[in-house]
Amino acid sequence: ETGVTQSPTHLIKTRGQQVTLRCSSQSGHNTVSWYQQALGQGPQFIFQYYREEENGRGNFPPRFSGLQFPNYSSELNVNALELDDSALYLCASSFGQVSYNSPLHFGNGTRLTVT
Amino acid sequence: AQSVTQLDSQVPVFEEAPVELRCNYSSSVSVYLFWYVQYPNQGLQLLLKYLSGSTLVKGINGFEAEFNKSQTSFHLRKPSVHISDTAEYFCAVSEWRDDKIIFGKGTRLHILP
Repeated sequence: ETGVTQSPTHLIKTRGQQVTLRCSSQSGHNTVSWYQQALGQGPQFIFQYYREEENGRGNFPPRFSGLQFPNYSSELNVNALELDDSALYLCASSFGQVSYNSPLHFGNGTRLTVT
Repeated sequence: AQSVTQLDSQVPVFEEAPVELRCNYSSSVSVYLFWYVQYPNQGLQLLLKYLSGSTLVKGINGFEAEFNKSQTSFHLRKPSVHISDTAEYFCAVSEWRDDKIIFGKGTRLHILP
């Protein structure tokens, strides 16, 4: 069983640039969630995709957007990067639309630094 | 909207001693509760979850948690900790029929030799 993999592991970008983070879901999972974890904080929910449709969104501006592909892999795109976007971005996959009934399986994250 | 409070940002405890990590939640509807663990430079791993039924939930690595609806708490306990338990622990809540899981700020468990 292949776990959740994220790429790249580390990334350094300049303020104003755009970034794309990638996630491959665990085999058999059709739901993917993205979280932002700032230093010393808990993960904050960005959004969730189920069968290629956005299925819930947290309190993040529209410059945070995502995609889910037919093979259930996913991308997180962030436009017009700000210094406060520096964080660990976590992808989590699960099976089914309602996450509570299927545990989230997390990847190891992408560490984004914005300078 | 639901929220989670973990009052202790750090908990130091001697090896082989018991530990309790506190978690309180706020919600106006039925909730589902979780504890996740994050080891250094890794993603989060599910320790245990409460969905319904028995209020005492047993998880992996000898951890257990008790759901207390009247006190809106879900404290995590282990009778004897090991150095390998050094990690960050996150309490999380999801409201009934809501797809998102909300995490607390975490408690760093520091095991003293």
